Amino acid sequence: QVQLQESGPGLVKPSETLSLTCTVSGYSISSVYYWGWIRQSPGKGLEWIGTIYHSGTTFYNPSLKSRVTISLDTSKNDFSLKLSSVTAADTAVYYCARQANVVVTGNSYFDYWGQGTLVTVSS
Amino acid sequence: EIVLTQSPGTLSLSPGGRATLSCRASQSISSEFLAWYQQNPGQAPRLLIYGASSRVTGIPDRFSGSGSGTDFTLTISRLEPEDFAVYYCQQYGSSLWTFGQGTKVEIK
Repeated sequence: QVQLQESGPGLVKPSETLSLTCTVSGYSISSVYYWGWIRQSPGKGLEWIGTIYHSGTTFYNPSLKSRVTISLDTSKNDFSLKLSSVTAADTAVYYCARQANVVVTGNSYFDYWGQGTLVTVSS
Repeated sequence: EIVLTQSPGTLSLSPGGRATLSCRASQSISSEFLAWYQQNPGQAPRLLIYGASSRVTGIPDRFSGSGSGTDFTLTISRLEPEDFAVYYCQQYGSSLWTFGQGTKVEIK
């Protein structure tokens, strides 16, 4: 059974860097799938943040690209998100998810999700 | 960047009714790259449909997806109490993934 679990501080000060880790169990992140981060501001819709493949290849949302870094640690079977220079607008529930490899599967979807973690940006 | 526009914003229906949700893309997309999700309050989204019309294992057959090009539809044939939720479409193109803004299906 594939499971993902987000972890990290629930409160971050403005201008600082938000750091979250997604620990994956039941599946190797070195597999064919992509691994992604999505966020949801309170009462709002879903926003894709970025995606990483085990090769280290990354894809970022252009609107966040200048502030986002996604990395992975195959030895720990986890991947991480860093979002710099945060403001109140970055307050959201952050989800990690497994993504279909578009090239291999010919499809695009997020099939397994973490439960999400609320990050509040406030002084 | 491809923008997905979902309509209506809110759909008010009775249990047993039929729900038709629309997802329109700002430019033509491959059907293989269109997916639908259901989200209940306080929960992560759940994948329902991928490839525009392929139902995920375990998803009831009252859920169906269709469409091509720029117009896609999620249909729930007979609404059950657990189907009242928010639904999102999602697409992939040019190494970017985007979601629609969501349609809320509420009890009338």
